[in-house]
Amino acid sequence: GAGVSQTPSNKVTEKGKYVELRCDPISGHTALYWYRQSLGQGPEFLIYFQGTGAADDSGLPNDRFFAVRPEGSVSTLKIQRTERGDSAVYLCASSLLGGGPTDTQYFGPGTRLTVL
Amino acid sequence: GQNIDQPTEMTATEGAIVQINCTYQTSGFNGLFWYQQHAGEAPTFLSYNVLDGLEEKGRFSSFLSRSKGYSYLLLKELQMKDSASYLCAVVRSGNTPLVFGKGTRLSVIA
Repeated sequence: GAGVSQTPSNKVTEKGKYVELRCDPISGHTALYWYRQSLGQGPEFLIYFQGTGAADDSGLPNDRFFAVRPEGSVSTLKIQRTERGDSAVYLCASSLLGGGPTDTQYFGPGTRLTVL
Repeated sequence: GQNIDQPTEMTATEGAIVQINCTYQTSGFNGLFWYQQHAGEAPTFLSYNVLDGLEEKGRFSSFLSRSKGYSYLLLKELQMKDSASYLCAVVRSGNTPLVFGKGTRLSVIA
């Protein structure tokens, strides 16, 4: 596609429920990143994929968070037993190679998650 | 830990020049990015610096001093549409994700 797309754009759920957030990266981009952005803050790294494998998942806050990218393209961020503190905008970004500092990350519009 | 500091808010007048500063202390440095983010939208890439000096791109310029751990984004001939948050982000080494500052919310007034 022309850019990174994310669905849904908004998700409202109840505490304790399970949610899945989807990211479609730019076609041909091998690296995919998930970030979380709270109001008034910069994006905070969660997990990074190079191809199908998670190259760095050190940003995942706890074991309720999990992400997959089974075919090296679309990725799904999964959150179990959601808590009110999980409410944030979840941003996905992709880059062509994912290895060098000049490899610019392009962001999707984000999914706004609200946990009631 | 990683520390990236930017002013929280700035206000400037349409047509003027504004400089947004960013200081960083990170374990490793392999480049600094500036992104623009309008409310409710995705961050969009503005600039990248890895060597000391000024990079100019139209109305926007970005400066880096590695020895001082300091960068700034300079916006000239401000327009109302430049009202947005500006995010400073550091890449620490080749295969690491970006570390972002909290962003500077710029308001351009008439």
